[in-house]
Amino acid sequence: AQTVTQSQPEMSVQEAETVTLSCTYDTSENNYYLFWYKQPPSRQMILVIRQEAYKQQNATENRFSVNFQKAAKSFSLKISDSQLGDTAMYFCAFMENAGNNRKLIWGLGTSLAVNP
Amino acid sequence: EAGVVQSPRYKIIEKKQPVAFWCNPISGHNTLYWYRQNLGQGPELLIRYENEEAVDDSQLPKDRFSAERLKGVDSTLKIQPAELGDSAVYLCASSFMTGLNGQYFGPGTRLTVL
Repeated sequence: AQTVTQSQPEMSVQEAETVTLSCTYDTSENNYYLFWYKQPPSRQMILVIRQEAYKQQNATENRFSVNFQKAAKSFSLKISDSQLGDTAMYFCAFMENAGNNRKLIWGLGTSLAVNP
Repeated sequence: EAGVVQSPRYKIIEKKQPVAFWCNPISGHNTLYWYRQNLGQGPELLIRYENEEAVDDSQLPKDRFSAERLKGVDSTLKIQPAELGDSAVYLCASSFMTGLNGQYFGPGTRLTVL
């Protein structure tokens, strides 16, 4: 069964600095998608970035970028120029691209605090 | 473009009472998901609809939970009777087809069962 592991329950960073959140996953499949979601305190879950496993190029969305290492099954999220509004729980998620049961497998999340 | 709409945002009920949550997905999204999220944890899928059909309800506690999506758009999730352990945030999400481009979430309904 696929699993997603986020080994850092909590992290903090100073405003304007860069932080990297780690995520590893376990799968025997070759065709899958990976996602990072952000959930600010008492606010809704937002899709931050997605990566298709067959693409070698790392996805980037403004200040958010990923380091996708397929062989190592690693999918870390880098936040550059951290802002106070980046304070949130960050979830890494995996979805296999096969069959009818395309279910998101979620990590337990990393709580990120951006300090002024 | 409007996002996923959920109501109510908050609900407090006594145990053994019924409760219902409503969701309106993003226009054009044929797939709708209901999740339950406990404090400090990731979402847990309860049920997934493709149009009107519930294609994955394996994690839905069918003795007390029910859901419907009669016209393939709006959906309602019901709990009857509620138990103390049902206190959680209930999230609705929608996606186009398989969700490989991502699922889009509503603000959730925070349920407190006393």
